[in-house]
Amino acid sequence: DVKVTQSSRYLVKRTGEKVFLECVQDMDHENMFWYRQDPGLGLRLIYFSYDVKMKEKGDIPEGYSVSREKKERFSLILESASTNQTSMYLCASSSPVDPSSGNTIYFGEGSWLTVV
Amino acid sequence: GENVEQHPSTLSVQEGDSAVIKCTYSDSASNYFPWYKQELGKRPQLIIDIRSNVGEKKDQRIAVTLNKTAKHFSLHITETQPEDSAVYFCAASIAYNAGNMLTFGGGTRLMVKP
Repeated sequence: DVKVTQSSRYLVKRTGEKVFLECVQDMDHENMFWYRQDPGLGLRLIYFSYDVKMKEKGDIPEGYSVSREKKERFSLILESASTNQTSMYLCASSSPVDPSSGNTIYFGEGSWLTVV
Repeated sequence: GENVEQHPSTLSVQEGDSAVIKCTYSDSASNYFPWYKQELGKRPQLIIDIRSNVGEKKDQRIAVTLNKTAKHFSLHITETQPEDSAVYFCAASIAYNAGNMLTFGGGTRLMVKP
């Protein structure tokens, strides 16, 4: 059974603080993702990575960076947290895709971040 | 890039009735369309998916249909039960060798009244 674990479920941070959100997957997946979930806006992709030390911007990368030093771990970094980054953050992983079939991505439980 | 629109944003049905959620997508190259269910406080989980070489797929009480010409796909839930209450997300993607980026719709909050 695929397990994607986000280390912090609930965080409260102050404006301007540096914030790290950690995600670990145990299925040896090459691909890892960070999404942000806001009411009415669905799930928006922040960054994704398809290999160690590789990263690609998603739809809303501004204000965020990521780190993938090991295959199983993908970190989301807020260099200077702002109140408009208050949201639920979801990490996900998947295996490389077979172009003829598509693939499934598996989500973590989510991290609720409040910036005050 | 891909844009996915989902309707309605909220849907309330009586237990036992059917529920239909519709999505449209913009990129004709998209070829993979999963649906995720997210219960309150839990992670989104895949419930059914369909690929572009298939027009319809069914799994017990849920079914998904795909119209590639019109670029829309729908989720159908029959004989709804209270445990079907959740937020449902559709998504579309193009399957690449290196990665598979899903673009999600805005979500539909389904409420099944007993």
